[in-house]
Amino acid sequence: GAVVSQHPSWVICKSGTSVKIECRSLDFQATTMFWYRQFPKQSLMLMATSNEGSKATYEQGVEKDKFLINHASLTLSTLTVTSAHPEDSSFYICSAARGQGRGYTFGSGTRLTVV
Amino acid sequence: GEDVEQSLFLSVREGDSSVINCTYTDSSSTYLYWYKQEPGAGLQLLTYIFSNMDMKQDQRLTVLLNKKDKHLSLRIADTQTGDSAIYFCAESMGVTGGGNKLTFGTGTQLKVEL
Repeated sequence: GAVVSQHPSWVICKSGTSVKIECRSLDFQATTMFWYRQFPKQSLMLMATSNEGSKATYEQGVEKDKFLINHASLTLSTLTVTSAHPEDSSFYICSAARGQGRGYTFGSGTRLTVV
Repeated sequence: GEDVEQSLFLSVREGDSSVINCTYTDSSSTYLYWYKQEPGAGLQLLTYIFSNMDMKQDQRLTVLLNKKDKHLSLRIADTQTGDSAIYFCAESMGVTGGGNKLTFGTGTQLKVEL
């Protein structure tokens, strides 16, 4: 149980286009979703925290107009990288909070390459 | 602020024990975690420890917490080639799984050699 499905797992896009990444909790309700970014051989850096039905809270230095987060339902959160540029190339991972005292479940990650 | 540090790389022989260390600065951390990441994949929770515990054992894994020194370690007994991966320690404050974010360490690449 407690699976988070993240799609796509791998995407290559042209500079200037937008890419949407989806995370779905398959067998539980994720009231809170965390979005992380990971550069090669580096740690996970929290980008934003989203709660269902409300605006996401972004970490300092993360452009909210560039990384659009939608958490319209308890089972789906999306991250859209708008007008992507090569420096946005990275590994993006979502993490769903399973509820008070129940820990977190991570998606399998999305490798984004902008050319 | 929060700062979680780990050594970058550890190499062990198959069958030996591995010890991965982590230091953190935030004394108000409530839960401390160990995650495993294989290449191109998400994170798999290995184990976690509540801050009022000193030790937790789960099969081949032993977690030691020295709260005074803010030092956390993960010992893997009888290390196998399948244990080769990057290991992250992480901390959170408050109740786990709620709206409390995880802060990750820098990650330790474990390489298991035959």
